[in-house]
Formats: sequence, C-alpha cells, structure tokens
Amino acid sequence: DGGITQSPKYLFRKEGQNVTLSCEQNLNHDAMYWYRQDPGQGLRLIYYSQIVNDFQKGDIAEGYSVSREKKESFPLTVTSAQKNPTAFYLCASSKGAKGNTYNSPLHFGNGTRLTVT
Amino acid sequence: AQSVTQLDSHVSVSEGTPVLLRCNYSSSYSPSLFWYVQHPNKGLQLLLKYTSAATLVKGINGFEAEFKKSETSFHLTKPSAHMSDAAEYFCVVRGTNAGGTSYGKLTFGQGTILTVHP
Repeated sequence: DGGITQSPKYLFRKEGQNVTLSCEQNLNHDAMYWYRQDPGQGLRLIYYSQIVNDFQKGDIAEGYSVSREKKESFPLTVTSAQKNPTAFYLCASSKGAKGNTYNSPLHFGNGTRLTVT
Repeated sequence: AQSVTQLDSHVSVSEGTPVLLRCNYSSSYSPSLFWYVQHPNKGLQLLLKYTSAATLVKGINGFEAEFKKSETSFHLTKPSAHMSDAAEYFCVVRGTNAGGTSYGKLTFGQGTILTVHP
C-alpha cells in the first residue's frame, strides 16, 4: 500500500543537540510538507517542497532545516537554535501545490513525537 | 490573506445523536476547504473537500459539510454519532491569489475535540 512513513515514532534528545526526523513517501507525490502540532494551536507549517531540490520556508522555519534530494524523501532537522522543539511533527505530501493539482488533498504520516530535555 | 476559525474547541454528544462542528473562514478569492480527522497520536485523515463544485459535500464515515458563501461557513455534520467518531477535527482552507494559483500553503483551524458518550 502507498503511504507516508515517519520514523521514529518517539524521539528523545538533550537540549543543544541537533536531531533529524525522517519522512519517506511512495505515493509519487511532487509536494511534501512538514508541520508542527502543539496542543490547541492546530498545525503550523515549517517547510514545504514543491519539487526535488527546491523548498520554501513556511510560517515557523526558524531553527529548522530541510533537504529534498530525492522525490521520495524530505527529512527535517531540528537544530539547537529552535527555542522550543518539544512537539508532535507531521509530514505530509500531495500530488502538487500549484496549477491544476492545487486542490489535491494532503496525505499525512503518523507523526514523530519529539521530546527535548 | 486567509484564516479559519473553528468556533468550538470541544464538542460532546451522546452516541446516536447528531454532530455539528462549526467552521468559519475568510479568503480573498475562491477557496478550497477541507475537513480532516485525527485520532490520538496519529496523522490526519481527509474526511471531505469542497473545491467549487456542489456546495453540499459528502465525505467518509457518514460525514458531510455545506459550503455557504454568504455566511463564510463550512460546518461539518453527521446525523448519528458513533463511538469511533471520537477524535479531533480540523477545518482547513486553501486560498488562491488574484491569478487563480495557489501558493502551496494551507491554513488550519485550531481543532475541535469531539467526545462521544455511550
């Protein structure tokens, strides 16, 4: 079955360490997204990528970095510069983000819960 | 600019009674609207979407939503709640610019937690 795989499901890190969250999709989707979810705040966009080797900052990109070297993969690095990294991180993909595919819905992974102490 | 407001942070119903989750939106041009459901510690699953076709949209699991432009609303309803409907629900808007193209971003509401009592 096609889908999005996020790993690990739970991740624990010490303050000051960088950590990379994995996201892989086999849906052949062009667009991929990273969201952060905090209780009572909905989802906030961190980064998105519409095509390989290209990505754009979302609303809360500070302290995060991404790469899109392959269509299937969109890893997110949470750096030590992120002031409050403990959160639930969701990766998503869609057929496209512009043109006649802009109405295509997002498909989500099951998330990674990051705890930094 | 676009925004979405879910009017209730929590809704509690009894099994077998109707469900109403309210959502108002603002968008400069013709929006696309979505409802997603999230069960605990899971990703989001699409329930239904409105993309300028029929104003009454039917989704999965018996849910439906009606797009009302005059009221800028997109409320989610279900005639009879089931225990398995207990989850958090998100209303989402994707707007377009004057040229009719999207800039690839969605705006999520704050979420409504639905509790279903036996």
